[in-house]
Amino acid sequence: GQQLNQSPQSMFIQEGEDVSMNCTSSSIFNTWLWYKQDPGEGPVLLIALYKAGELTSNGRLTAQFGITRKDSFLNISASIPSDVGIYFCAGPGSSNTGKLIFGQGTTLQVKP
Amino acid sequence: EAQVTQNPRYLITVTGKKLTVTCSQNMNHEYMSWYRQDPGLGLRQIYYSMNVEVTDKGDVPEGYKVSRKEKRNFPLILESPSPNQTSLYFCASRGVGGNQPQHFGDGTRLSIL
Repeated sequence: GQQLNQSPQSMFIQEGEDVSMNCTSSSIFNTWLWYKQDPGEGPVLLIALYKAGELTSNGRLTAQFGITRKDSFLNISASIPSDVGIYFCAGPGSSNTGKLIFGQGTTLQVKP
Repeated sequence: EAQVTQNPRYLITVTGKKLTVTCSQNMNHEYMSWYRQDPGLGLRQIYYSMNVEVTDKGDVPEGYKVSRKEKRNFPLILESPSPNQTSLYFCASRGVGGNQPQHFGDGTRLSIL
């Protein structure tokens, strides 16, 4: 079945550093989504990508939809303590069911 | 405010005692889903519903039931809970159209002893 492999699994960085994480798949996705989950809350959509090669920013966050449609990355610049959380990549399942396939998540910790 | 509401947020119970987790959305969304989140596995879909009275299995449906009698509600039912169903559960909804984002509830943490 469709799977998304996300790396790294966890990161522990100093405040002010830039962060990069990526997501790869063995099959093509037509949409890539990046979610953030704060402790004790549900995932919240950060960035949605709909076109191969697309580069989209949301404040300090930048995400790109890979040309091959099998990968995507998320960058966070100048990290701050509130960036702490779990970041998930996701893409729609193969049928139009509203299903999302999620990566395993990247846990980010930021040291002030 | 547009939201997905789950109840309860936390529940500790014992093996075999039937329980229901409610989910309600106020956005008139057609699609609703239940996911469970386990460490190292991300979120996996349990069941989904494309509209009232239309439900189908996701990737990990064993031990769960759902119903969709009204558009806004999508309860998750564990008829005979077992310890391997201890997990964090999320309900989500979205509107029709491929580019519609999913909205998630705040989660329900279930512990089955």
